[in-house]
Amino acid sequence: QKEVEQNSGPLSVPEGAIASLNCTYSDRGSQSFFWYRQYSGKSPELIMFIYSNGDKEDGRFTAQLNKASQYVSLLIRDSQPSDSATYLCAVPPGGTSYGKLTFGQGTILTVHP
Amino acid sequence: EAGVTQFPSHSVIEKGQTVTLRCDPISGHDNLYWYRRVMGKEIKFLLHFVKESKQDESGMPNNRFLAERTGGTYSTLKVQPAELEDSGVYFCASSQVTYTGELFFGEGSRLTVL
Repeated sequence: QKEVEQNSGPLSVPEGAIASLNCTYSDRGSQSFFWYRQYSGKSPELIMFIYSNGDKEDGRFTAQLNKASQYVSLLIRDSQPSDSATYLCAVPPGGTSYGKLTFGQGTILTVHP
Repeated sequence: EAGVTQFPSHSVIEKGQTVTLRCDPISGHDNLYWYRRVMGKEIKFLLHFVKESKQDESGMPNNRFLAERTGGTYSTLKVQPAELEDSGVYFCASSQVTYTGELFFGEGSRLTVL
């Protein structure tokens, strides 16, 4: 089992729809979770992080965390073509908020007009 | 404010040759990380500097890889001699705070070993 696993996609949604990106992790001690977005050929860019169970909203983005199920998700509401990118779930070593991140393989999202 | 810059953006070398990748972190960021993504795989941690000191180099694949950060500013990652499996994209990231997963990444240096 991979330490951090994402639905590999690609995921294609129409403009205006909700895109749902999922991530599971194996380390029960993990305390913080990060979502990075990477446009083709560009640098990964942090868009959301979450530490507590439940939902965290930031504009059109909502991160959801369920530590009991070891599951974290990212919802993008009112998806736009500019949201088309690879989304990376990243988790630091269990019990830390350290920058030694374990990444999932990424989910490619395409939002079509 | 300038972001994390990496050089070269793309390097093509023959097996057995040497390549040096450079990273300039955001000014004032004491923490500098190297990551690598090989074809079809996840981005993987290589090592972490705090200022000029190696804090964690547990991800370095073997002794053909040498990372330095002279004076706690820019960093170099040397691969000598390069092998085919070293091909991939090498990312540098920096942060001001040590215990954070909020990293600022560069655009990466793509290495192709023929």
